[in-house]
Amino acid sequence: DADVTQTPRNRITKTGKRIMLECSQTKGHDRMYWYRQDPGLGLRLIYYSFDVKDINKGEISDGYSVSRQAQAKFSLSLESAIPNQTALYFCATSDSGVGYTFGSGTRLTVV
Amino acid sequence: DAKTTQPTSMDCAEGRAANLPCNHSTISGNEYVYWYRQIHSQGPQYIIHGLKNNETNEMASLIITEDRKSSTLILPHATLRDTAVYYCIVRVASNFGNEKLTFGTGTRLTIIP
Repeated sequence: DADVTQTPRNRITKTGKRIMLECSQTKGHDRMYWYRQDPGLGLRLIYYSFDVKDINKGEISDGYSVSRQAQAKFSLSLESAIPNQTALYFCATSDSGVGYTFGSGTRLTVV
Repeated sequence: DAKTTQPTSMDCAEGRAANLPCNHSTISGNEYVYWYRQIHSQGPQYIIHGLKNNETNEMASLIITEDRKSSTLILPHATLRDTAVYYCIVRVASNFGNEKLTFGTGTRLTIIP
């Protein structure tokens, strides 16, 4: 099994719908992150969490929310999806902010 | 975090050493150099990092110049599976409140059979 598992792998949704992307990890890391990647661009940080009681906004948090249900689980929600949220989403973990482990990504299309 | 500059693309023959340069002339004393790669829309993969000494692991070697203003990632015997976008990132090792890994556009490395 992968160290960082994201579900679903692909999703097509309609504008205005609520959608949740899920991430679970078996690394035992405290820190978890959500990034998005747009074609030809680097990754941008959406939210991050240092533990279950800690949530922090990244550089592009508008339109997104997160929930840290447990040390191993960190979910990302789009309350009302819009087309410019079409992107590749990655979850990542780290133990001390040094090396990050990324999931395989969720390709989200909002039509 | 210091800004980095990398070539947009590079080719390397299979079996040869791939040398990927990175300039980071504004690096500060407590900032490390990190390398990640991303293979065709997969999640980025950590490769190696260093502060000022050269580093080697099972994947690659990292050579940092004495003035720390540039570095080179070396893949000693490139294979087709090393075809990817390689990102050079400069940041402090662990900095609460500054968790952002800033990925630029990286270098697209193509290994030629």
